[in-house]
Amino acid sequence: DGGITQSPKYLFRKEGQNVTLSCEQNLNHDAMYWYRQDPGQGLRLIYYSQIVNDFQKGDIAEGYSVSREKKESFPLTVTSAQKNPTAFYLCASSPDSGNTIYFGEGSWLTVV
Amino acid sequence: AQSVAQPEDQVNVAEGNPLTVKCTYSVSGNPYLFWYVQYPNRGLQFLLKYITGDNLVKGSYGFEAEFNKSQTSFHLKKPSALVSDSALYFCAVREPADRGSTLGRLYFGRGTQLTVWP
Repeated sequence: DGGITQSPKYLFRKEGQNVTLSCEQNLNHDAMYWYRQDPGQGLRLIYYSQIVNDFQKGDIAEGYSVSREKKESFPLTVTSAQKNPTAFYLCASSPDSGNTIYFGEGSWLTVV
Repeated sequence: AQSVAQPEDQVNVAEGNPLTVKCTYSVSGNPYLFWYVQYPNRGLQFLLKYITGDNLVKGSYGFEAEFNKSQTSFHLKKPSALVSDSALYFCAVREPADRGSTLGRLYFGRGTQLTVWP
């Protein structure tokens, strides 16, 4: 089935650790995005990528890093520099940058 | 500056009654407007969008939305609510892509929790 797959669904991180959230899409979409969702705050853009080997910072990029080595993959690394990483993370993609964005099922990250 | 406002954190409606979830926006140029729905512990699902044309847009699951340029609003509506419609609803606006970038940023409202009572 076509879609956007995020893994893992639940992830626990110890203080000082880096963790990587996976996002894979088989929709042949050019653009991919990472959003963070906190209760009562809507969605905030972390990073986005319009094409392979290119990405830009969103509104809350500090403490996060990404790569876009393949069209179908856009992993997000939450580094130890991110002081409050506990949140629901959503990966999304769109056919091009002007079209509808479609979301994956999300990943919960909890700091323990 | 681009922004989206959903003035109601919660909307409660009885099953079978019409429902409205409100959204107002602020964006320069002609906006692209979207509604998404989120069920607990899930990603966002696309409901409908307005790009241009008819101000009344029909989407998934019997939902529709009316674009009102003068009031800068894009309210989500459904003639007869179902208990299964209970979820978190997000309005989003995409700014027009400018000459320097092909990416139109998508800005989300804070969400409105819809509860439909049986």
